[in-house]
Formats: sequence, structure tokens, C-alpha cells
Amino acid sequence: SQQGEEDPQALSIQEGENATMNCSYKTSINNLQWYRQNSGRGLVHLILIRSNEREKHSGRLRVTLDTSKKSSSLLITASRAADTASYFCATVGMDSSYKLIFGSGTRLLVRP
Amino acid sequence: SAVISQKPSRDICQRGTSLTIQCQVDSQVTMMFWYRQQPGQSLTLIATANQGSEATYESGFVIDKFPISRPNLTFSTLTVSNMSPEDSSIYLCSVQGSRPNNYGYTFGSGTRLTVV
Repeated sequence: SQQGEEDPQALSIQEGENATMNCSYKTSINNLQWYRQNSGRGLVHLILIRSNEREKHSGRLRVTLDTSKKSSSLLITASRAADTASYFCATVGMDSSYKLIFGSGTRLLVRP
Repeated sequence: SAVISQKPSRDICQRGTSLTIQCQVDSQVTMMFWYRQQPGQSLTLIATANQGSEATYESGFVIDKFPISRPNLTFSTLTVSNMSPEDSSIYLCSVQGSRPNNYGYTFGSGTRLTVV
């Protein structure tokens, strides 16, 4: 089962623009993570934000977390064609299972 | 972070047969996770594999269909049994970061399975 929904399902932007993806989840979390997947290949971990954090930056990535709304957003600034990929949020719950549960994903297309 | 070698990378199988997917990790890990990604979809957790105990399956997945072995702390296999075209998916294994609340998880490169 999926933890939650991401929106938009698909996003098309021009190179140089910013891309924002949103993620909602259902249960209390230990942390939330974002992953990128290029063309059905393996997943690459982008960034992790813990439940007691509200914002985190890594290069051109900015992640926010609002635990009261059970939502997160991923902002990619100054997008490049190479950013074209599917992006997934995933959560680790408060239990000791350490299971990583994925959202539905956003397909990002960055047009040159 | 850990490095995972997953094989085969792809296979085309006849319905009714079984396929075993292997994942080898370059370090000892307590938990390994198996996922299915159906075409155009997100990842769905199949089961958690712990060394020395039975795998824990998620709702909708059963041991008879997806038997898992975990003989040691660096290796695991997932078998897709009695396959049908609906089993055509990418199957991935994963391990958690060395500090689960600080580092992301590492994934194998996936096995793209087509059942004909």
C-alpha cells in the first residue's frame, strides 16, 4: 500500500524554472525521504528530513516538512534537463520496523 | 553507504514458471527489503527479510507466491512463483542506511521481469 499521494502526478517546466512537488502522508513518521528514479532504473536518495526538522537544503534542493498537516514539499531550483526523472517521497514510521513506504510519485519533465 | 549487487537485471519468463532474484550487499545489514514496482507505478513493499527469522510480508503478499531467503547478513533472494503476466514488474531490494534516521536507503538496480 502507498503511504500517501504526491501532486502533481506530472509536471513539465522549462529549463531554469523551479519545480515544486508536494507529498502527503497518513501516519506519524520518524523521517521523510525523497528519491529520484531515472527511466525505471534504480532509486537515488536525495535528502532526508527528520520529524523534528522543518526545512532542509542540499544544493539546489529544498525540502520542507509540516507534521501538523502531514505534508512535505520538494523544491528544485534552477532546473536542468538532467533533472528529468520521477520523484518519490517515502516515509519511515515511528515503529521499529524501519519500513520505507513510498508515495505515488511525480514525473518531472524539464524542457531544454 | 552500502553497495548492492542485484541480479538478474532483466528476464523474460513463461507463465507458470518461477524466477529467483538475488541481492548481495557489500556489508552486513540487519534488514533487507523487497519491493515491487508495477509499470508506471510507485514502489510497493513486499516484505522485510531478517537474517535468522521468517520474512515479514505486507498485506496482499504471501509467502507461497514470494518466498524469501536470508541465509546471512549480506545476501537475500526473492522468488516469484507460478508467474502470470500480472507479475510483470520491476523488483528491487533495499537496505537502510548505517544510521537509519540520518541516511537514506540504498537500492539495487532492479530486476525487470516480463512474463509471457
